[in-house]
Amino acid sequence: DVKVTQSSRYLVKRTGEKVFLECVQDMDHENMFWYRQDPGLGLRLIYFSYDVKMKEKGDIPEGYSVSREKKERFSLILESASTNQTSMYLCASSPSLGVVSPLHFGNGTRLTVT
Amino acid sequence: DAKTTQPNSMESNEEEPVHLPCNHSTISGTDYIHWYRQLPSQGPEYVIHGLTSNVNNRMASLAIAEDRKSSTLILHRATLRDAAVYYCILRPFQGAQKLVFGQGTRLTINP
Repeated sequence: DVKVTQSSRYLVKRTGEKVFLECVQDMDHENMFWYRQDPGLGLRLIYFSYDVKMKEKGDIPEGYSVSREKKERFSLILESASTNQTSMYLCASSPSLGVVSPLHFGNGTRLTVT
Repeated sequence: DAKTTQPNSMESNEEEPVHLPCNHSTISGTDYIHWYRQLPSQGPEYVIHGLTSNVNNRMASLAIAEDRKSSTLILHRATLRDAAVYYCILRPFQGAQKLVFGQGTRLTINP
């Protein structure tokens, strides 16, 4: 089975801090994604990566950046955390960007910014 | 982006079939219908997908209306472990990487 592991289950950070959320997948998938999940808003795509060092913006990239130096690892960076970035962050991977290729999700990192 | 409409919540009994509806009246000809579910404290999990024909797998069945404006996810014999939020998603052929998850249906299973 595909395993997508997010390094922290819960994280508490202060406003203005630089925050790194790490995600690792073990199935050699080409594509990795970062979503955030908020009550009433569903899941929203922040960034995705279709190859090492390649990235594309999703629907809500403002305030975030990403890094993919190795195929198995995709990091989400909050350059200067703000309280409106308090959310559940979900990482996912998939073998292709094709329309029938399912996404495999990690269990999420609940980030609180105070 | 084409949207889906699902009931906010549904309730069913253990060992009974469950039919979860989804309306997608603005679906385009190349949109695939995907279903995911999210169990408590977990990330979403892929369930099934289809284009025009009904589909079955080990988890569920997907019934797609002839005009493709609606679909139904069928859990044949619900268990307590099926209690989750179920998401119906339209995935376009072009731009398939941008899955848009709506609010979903929260399914409660009564013992």
